[in-house]
Amino acid sequence: GAVVSQHPSWVICKSGTSVKIECRSLDFQATTMFWYRQFPKQSLMLMATSNEGSKATYEQGVEKDKFLINHASLTLSTLTVTSAHPEDSSFYICSASPQGSAGLLSSYEQYFGPGTRLTVT
Amino acid sequence: GQQVMQIPQYQHVQEGEDFTTYCNSSTTLSNIQWYKQRPGGHPVFLIQLVKSGEVKKQKRLTFQFGEAKKNSSLHITATQTTDVGTYFCAGRSNYQLIWGAGTKLIIKP
Repeated sequence: GAVVSQHPSWVICKSGTSVKIECRSLDFQATTMFWYRQFPKQSLMLMATSNEGSKATYEQGVEKDKFLINHASLTLSTLTVTSAHPEDSSFYICSASPQGSAGLLSSYEQYFGPGTRLTVT
Repeated sequence: GQQVMQIPQYQHVQEGEDFTTYCNSSTTLSNIQWYKQRPGGHPVFLIQLVKSGEVKKQKRLTFQFGEAKKNSSLHITATQTTDVGTYFCAGRSNYQLIWGAGTKLIIKP
């Protein structure tokens, strides 16, 4: 149980185009989903937290107009990288939390998707 | 800004030896989570610690959360080849999840 999928698993796009990455919780409802970016040999960097039906909360330094996040249902969140540039090339990982929100002290778990490798040429 | 320092960056051990990674936060954390990332894979949630001084065990893994809720450790007893990977801590503070840089566990041939 608690499977999270991402699509596509890898994508190559040309500079200036937009790319949409989907994150789905397959066997549970996720009130909160997280989007991370990981550079080679570095830790995950939280980009934004999205709660179903509301606007995403972006971390400091993350451009909300460039990285559009939509969490339209309890099982789907999308990240759209708009006007992609080579510096946006990275590994993007989503995770989904089956209960609670980012602000609660109560125990919750994050289940990670397999990631999407984006290469912008 | 808020930081979580994780050491060491790498640790080479012989199979059967113990392994420990430490995380220290610049601020008090509400909780801390530990993840394992296998080479080429994505991070897998291991555990969350919430209470001051909490100690939890998962088979050969022992997780501790400091009394001041600013530090944590993961200890693996008698490492096996399946333990290879990078172990990350992530501390929650002021609604942010702050990641450590990870400790890579390498088993010497």
